[in-house]
Order: sequence, then structure tokens, then C-alpha cells
Amino acid sequence: QVQLVQSGAEVKKPGASVKVSCKVSGYTLTELSMHWVRQAPGKGLEWMGGFDPEDGETIYAQKFQGRVTMTEDTSTDTAYMELSSLRSEDTAVYYCATVNRSIMITFGGVIVMFWFDPWGQGTLVTVSS
Amino acid sequence: SSELTQDPAVSVALGQTVRITCQGDSLRSYYASWYQQKPGQAPVLVIYGKNNRPSGIPDRFSGSSSGNTASLTITGAQAEDEADYYCNSRDSSGNPDWVFGGGTKLTVL
Repeated sequence: QVQLVQSGAEVKKPGASVKVSCKVSGYTLTELSMHWVRQAPGKGLEWMGGFDPEDGETIYAQKFQGRVTMTEDTSTDTAYMELSSLRSEDTAVYYCATVNRSIMITFGGVIVMFWFDPWGQGTLVTVSS
Repeated sequence: SSELTQDPAVSVALGQTVRITCQGDSLRSYYASWYQQKPGQAPVLVIYGKNNRPSGIPDRFSGSSSGNTASLTITGAQAEDEADYYCNSRDSSGNPDWVFGGGTKLTVL
């Protein structure tokens, strides 16, 4: 069973960068498609990016392109999400989560299913001067 | 990119049945997955695919889909089901993204 354990809370000043880690146990990171989702206080879930299991590339939501970098250290089975040029609107809980993919063949064709499971416990990043 | 639309809030009497819906063009191409989130906790997967429940999720949770609408149904809602519920699917507009609905706050009366 996959378990994800994230690094602790961070407080950063505007303009700084933050790097959040997500340690995998139960599986190796190379067997997983790791993604990052954030949630601002009182708001909904927002997908940031992750490893696309369909084409083998790391993809980012357009909103974060140029500011976010997602990397993996396979020697320690740890994934990282670094967000730069922080502003107050980046104050949020950041979650790592693995995307699972399954293919079902039906009379109507091929259906591809995706789901996020499990999730890390979340890391609060506060951006404040 | 695609959007997924959910009602912001829904209420249900204890023991009754409630349906939470999610609308979006991407749902014509992909099944939705559904997540339950209680205050201060990480989201938890409750339904994925056509109507699949992960281990440990009670069978009162079920999913369905028709056209551009996915639904999460709780049959016999319990007090512990009070939470925020989010739908999610892959974007079908040409972007290789994933998208979440805005969430539905379920209140069990």
C-alpha cells in the first residue's frame, strides 16, 4: 500500500521560493505518477501538475508554468514541488497525490479512467511579509 | 481548459438519499472521480471509474454518469458523511490537464 508523507509547514516572504517534499513508502517512486494539488484557505482543490502516465512527461497547469518545478529523487523515493516568485495568493495547503490509470475495453471502445489516490497529509505554505 | 461545475451546497436529512452532481464537457470523454474532504484533512477518494469504491468506503456511496453530468449518490446519509465533495476528471479540451470541480458542501441535518 502506497503511503505519502510530506514535509512540514513553511513560512516564506513574497518573492521567495519554497520546496515541498513528498516521501513515498510501500512502492517505488518510479512505479507511480506523482501529482501536486493545492488548496487556498476556504477554497477548492486546484491541480498544479504532475507526471502524465499517458506520455511519460511531467506537465504543469498553464497557471503555474514558469514558476513551478516538479522533480523526483528515485534514490530516496521522494518527490519535490518547488514554487518560485511566491506571492500572498500562493498561501495554501499543498498536497501530493498519485494518479492511477486503468483501461477498460467495452463494446463501445476503450475507456481510460484516472483517479487520485492516495494523498499526502498536506503541507501548509504561508506567504507573508 | 475544461471546467467542472458543482452546486456549492447541498443538504440532506439523516438517513435520506442525496445526489451531488458535477457537470462539464470533459465528462463526455472521461469518468469522474469523487473525493470527500473533512475539515483539516486531506481529500479521500470515494468513487472512481464507472462506479468503483476503494476498499473501506461504505457501499452507501455510489457513482453514475450520463452525458456531461456525473453524480455521486449517498443512500442513507450518515452524520459522518458531512463534508466537502469534489469531482475530478481529465481535461478533454486539448490540454493534457486534470481539473477539479469547485466542491459541494454537504450538510447532514
